[in-house]
Amino acid sequence: QKEVEQNSGPLSVPEGAIASLNCTYSDRGSQSFFWYRQYSGKSPELIMSIYSNGDKEDGRFTAQLNKASQYVSLLIRDSQPSDSATYLCAVMPTGGGNKLTFGTGTQLKVEL
Amino acid sequence: ETGVTQSPTHLIKTRGQQVTLRCSSQSGHNTVSWYQQALGQGPQFIFQYYREEENGRGNFPPRFSGLQFPNYSSELNVNALELDDSALYLCASSAEGLGEKLFFGSGTQLSVL
Repeated sequence: QKEVEQNSGPLSVPEGAIASLNCTYSDRGSQSFFWYRQYSGKSPELIMSIYSNGDKEDGRFTAQLNKASQYVSLLIRDSQPSDSATYLCAVMPTGGGNKLTFGTGTQLKVEL
Repeated sequence: ETGVTQSPTHLIKTRGQQVTLRCSSQSGHNTVSWYQQALGQGPQFIFQYYREEENGRGNFPPRFSGLQFPNYSSELNVNALELDDSALYLCASSAEGLGEKLFFGSGTQLSVL
């Protein structure tokens, strides 16, 4: 079982729709969770962090965490073509130390 | 812009050669981590340096080595290059008290022929 699993996609949504990206992780003791956006040929950019169960909203982005189910998700409201990118889920394993374990990423395509 | 700079941006080497990649961390950040990202994959943790000491290592062979300097800049060295070493190498800096957030540089694209 991979430590952090994501559907590779591509996930296609129409402009203005809600995009829902999902991630599961295997280390039950993980405490910190991150979503990074990566445009083709560029480096990852941190867009959301979440540490507690529930929802965390930042503009059009909402991160959701359910530690009991070992599940973290990212919702993007009012999706724009500029949101088209690969979204990487990253988990800080037990013991932390700023060493992230990444999923393989989900490619999102927002269509006009 | 994260303030983390990497050089060079692109590099082509042949199998068996050695390579050195460089990273300048964001001002005030004392921790540098290196990641390898193969095409179509997520970044994989190579190692981390904190105050000039190695502070954790991923599942990479000893031919991957590193340094951190007193100004917190860092180098990644790879000896005896293999074709599978072709990847984007990412440097990320972080600081105590920033909630474990990493800030990535733009990366070095290494091609091994």
